[in-house]
Amino acid sequence: GAVVSQHPSWVICKSGTSVKIECRSLDFQATTMFWYRQFPKQSLMLMATSNEGSKATYEQGVEKDKFLINHASLTLSTLTVTSAHPEDSSFYICSAPRASGSDTDTQYFGPGTRLTVL
Amino acid sequence: QKEVEQDPGPLSVPEGAIVSLNCTYSNSAFQYFMWYRQYSRKGPELLMYTYSSGNKEDGRFTAQVDKSSKYISLFIRDSQPSDSATYLCAMSRHSGGYNKLIFGAGTRLAVHP
Repeated sequence: GAVVSQHPSWVICKSGTSVKIECRSLDFQATTMFWYRQFPKQSLMLMATSNEGSKATYEQGVEKDKFLINHASLTLSTLTVTSAHPEDSSFYICSAPRASGSDTDTQYFGPGTRLTVL
Repeated sequence: QKEVEQDPGPLSVPEGAIVSLNCTYSNSAFQYFMWYRQYSRKGPELLMYTYSSGNKEDGRFTAQVDKSSKYISLFIRDSQPSDSATYLCAMSRHSGGYNKLIFGAGTRLAVHP
């Protein structure tokens, strides 16, 4: 069954509004979560690393003031797209690593959120 | 040059065929290698996870890693129409804590009856 959930699964909004996307780890705690963006027929591009209890780490070229990340608890991270514009329309996916007890980890992905900005 | 190269396809095969998917990479520090399957408009699903070189088999799926050639493969035996999806290779290096995944472009596979 799913180990990472996302809400909403899709959202349509007007240009200039803000949209919040939630990512939850189910039955395990995730001190770190990752946020990706995927354009049609393209691969996943890492946007930022969400850290519980501290600031998110953003990848080069990602505007931290536009994509606000809050890791509110050990099972919840939120991504807020502020003042969304049509070019922000994309598929947003989160992932959470689930430690296997060694130095390795396996990342589980959420089902994704499709954002359409009109 | 991208860190991870993957032919985007599309790849079309008849049902029952053996499918070979490949990725090459340039960073010799990568130690963890994964294959994900992604259906349209869904999140990626982990298929195979391999540490360092070698082979790993799980049902109809076999993953191979050749670190000397910086080349990884995923083989699908007896392919089924339900295998039609995009297959993404991903890899990471150990740097302490949780590792960032670097993805290939993904190969679109279509298995026709």
